[in-house]
Amino acid sequence: DTGVSQDPRHKITKRGQNVTFRCDPISEHNRLYWYRQTLGQGPEFLTYFQNEAQLEKSRLLSDRFSAERPKGSFSTLEIQRTEQGDSAMYLCASSFGRAEQYFGPGTRLTVT
Amino acid sequence: DQQVKQNSPSLSVQEGRISILNCDYTNSMFDYFLWYKKYPAEGPTFLISISSIKDKNEDGRFTVFLNKSAKHLSLHIVPSQPGDSAVYFCAANDNQGGKLIFGQGTELSVKP
Repeated sequence: DTGVSQDPRHKITKRGQNVTFRCDPISEHNRLYWYRQTLGQGPEFLTYFQNEAQLEKSRLLSDRFSAERPKGSFSTLEIQRTEQGDSAMYLCASSFGRAEQYFGPGTRLTVT
Repeated sequence: DQQVKQNSPSLSVQEGRISILNCDYTNSMFDYFLWYKKYPAEGPTFLISISSIKDKNEDGRFTVFLNKSAKHLSLHIVPSQPGDSAVYFCAANDNQGGKLIFGQGTELSVKP
């Protein structure tokens, strides 16, 4: 049984660099979500896909952030021109329809 | 605006006793509620959910109660065990989309 996996688990980058994260959902799940979590806060929604269609993006998601799910399987989240404020845990989750969402272990991003 | 609120940042309980974690929400469109448990450096783990057509859902030691008129839900853990020590998040979903709105979390400490 494989749950949601994310790669890398940790990423340290310099301000201004681009970074890309990958998420592999549970195989039979058609929905994939990205959240961001900072210290002392709950996860904050960024965007989600149903199959390959991106159905919703948070207003908080600046144009430096882009996500794709090209074949309705894995997804990538890219952050261009990283800023120190982008430092956070980036969480991916998947679900079948509106059922409960299952989260991966997260990617910890540190922007120096 | 914080649509889901967990007003207690921390809770300490003796092993074997009941733990009660509380959550309030403001959006009357929310119709599905979930509780997640999170250990440090891991993603949230789904615990239990409840639909707005119910007022109680039970799964082993975990019971969630929903009071729609008060826009309040609670998670009861009985008996509490030291392994239950973690941060607990409540989350809510409306029927307009897939995203979950999370509270800020309550850190539960169960002491032997």
